[in-house]
Amino acid sequence: DAMVIQNPRYQVTQFGKPVTLSCSQTLNHNVMYWYQQKSSQAPKLLFHYYDKDFNNEADTPDNFQSRRPNTSFCFLDIRSPGLGDAAMYLCATSRDVFGYTFGSGTRLTVV
Amino acid sequence: GIQVEQSPPDLILQEGANSTLRCNFSDSVNNLQWFHQNPWGQLINLFYIPSGTKQNGRLSATTVATERYSLLYISSSQTTDSGVYFCAADAGTGFQKLVFGTGTRLLVSP
Repeated sequence: DAMVIQNPRYQVTQFGKPVTLSCSQTLNHNVMYWYQQKSSQAPKLLFHYYDKDFNNEADTPDNFQSRRPNTSFCFLDIRSPGLGDAAMYLCATSRDVFGYTFGSGTRLTVV
Repeated sequence: GIQVEQSPPDLILQEGANSTLRCNFSDSVNNLQWFHQNPWGQLINLFYIPSGTKQNGRLSATTVATERYSLLYISSSQTTDSGVYFCAADAGTGFQKLVFGTGTRLLVSP
């Protein structure tokens, strides 16, 4: 089945130690998104790629970066995780305005 | 930017009951979607509904774009309907850049 896959499902990292979360898709969607969802809150868009074009939200901290080496893969890099970065990180894809599909998320814990 | 508000924030139902969830948005939208987040965190797209009415089984949704609100109807609720329902909207052009509402947390008890 076509889908959006996030790895790992759970990630524990040390305070200040760089961490990378990954997302892959088999839908051939041209847009990929990263959302951050903290406990009992709504998902908040961090950035997205429209094809190869990277678009950062104005209030996304510099600590968060992303890479999209090809259509299928997208990575979220957190350069120096703080305790406030503990959250569920959700990857999503779409083809222009249709077919918005989320992965199952990576729950990040910072110790 | 666009503001999205949902009500009620919490809802408890007995299995078999019907419910209506509401989403208000502050600007005209070209994209309005409803999602269900299950207890394990997975977000499932329920409806893409910038206007009009759609139905999918026990769920249906109506968006009145001119009055800037959308409703999600759940009929004959089941325990598997439990979770958080999010409305998300986009007022921009081109691809989807969704702003999520604060959600309605639904608990369906047997």
